Amino acid sequence: AQSVTQPDIHITVSEGASLELRCNYSYGATPYLFWYVQSPGQGLQLLLKYFSGDTLVQGIKGFEAEFKRSQSSFNLRKPSVHWSDAAEYFCAVGALDSGNTPLVFGKGTRLSVIA
Amino acid sequence: DAGITQSPRHKVTETGTPVTLRCHQTENHRYMYWYRQDPGHGLRLIHYSYGVKDTDKGEVSDGYSVSRSKTEDFLLTLESATSSQTSVYFCAISDVGRSLGGYTFGSGTRLTVV
Repeated sequence: AQSVTQPDIHITVSEGASLELRCNYSYGATPYLFWYVQSPGQGLQLLLKYFSGDTLVQGIKGFEAEFKRSQSSFNLRKPSVHWSDAAEYFCAVGALDSGNTPLVFGKGTRLSVIA
Repeated sequence: DAGITQSPRHKVTETGTPVTLRCHQTENHRYMYWYRQDPGHGLRLIHYSYGVKDTDKGEVSDGYSVSRSKTEDFLLTLESATSSQTSVYFCAISDVGRSLGGYTFGSGTRLTVV
């Protein structure tokens, strides 16, 4: 069965500092991977996705993520965090080889940004 | 989110009463999903639909039922609400199998069972 682990429940970074949010997945088949962001009181918004090809993918709001098959990871990065990036971030995995199987989400990482 | 609306946005109900949440889409997407979000648990799938009258259970389906009689509407019903069903409920849609395009989420319904 698919599973997603986000090891960090809460991360605090200073504005302007770099950010890396970790995501590890478990799935035997070819995975496809997503990062979503949720601002307080809002639904989830897609940041970026990976299906195949270049393992470094660019997303919206200056975010990028790198797929590392050997480490079963899909970590999200941003070189310089802005206060508006404070939100909850979810990693999700799906199976490229399956039919209707829904995405599986991690439990999320809450990001706080301090001045 | 454009093209997907959830109603109501907030609801307080009493234990033992039935509750129906509605998800409406204008995107003509085939797939629709209901998730609940709780602190420490992230998003957990309740039920999903892969077409009109075609639904399947997710990991936390006990106490919930769904119906999809039209492409645009996916209803989630709590037959007899319990306090453990106090949560924020999100609907999501996707347009292709395997969700290659990712999901589009609604703004959520905050349900409180007292």
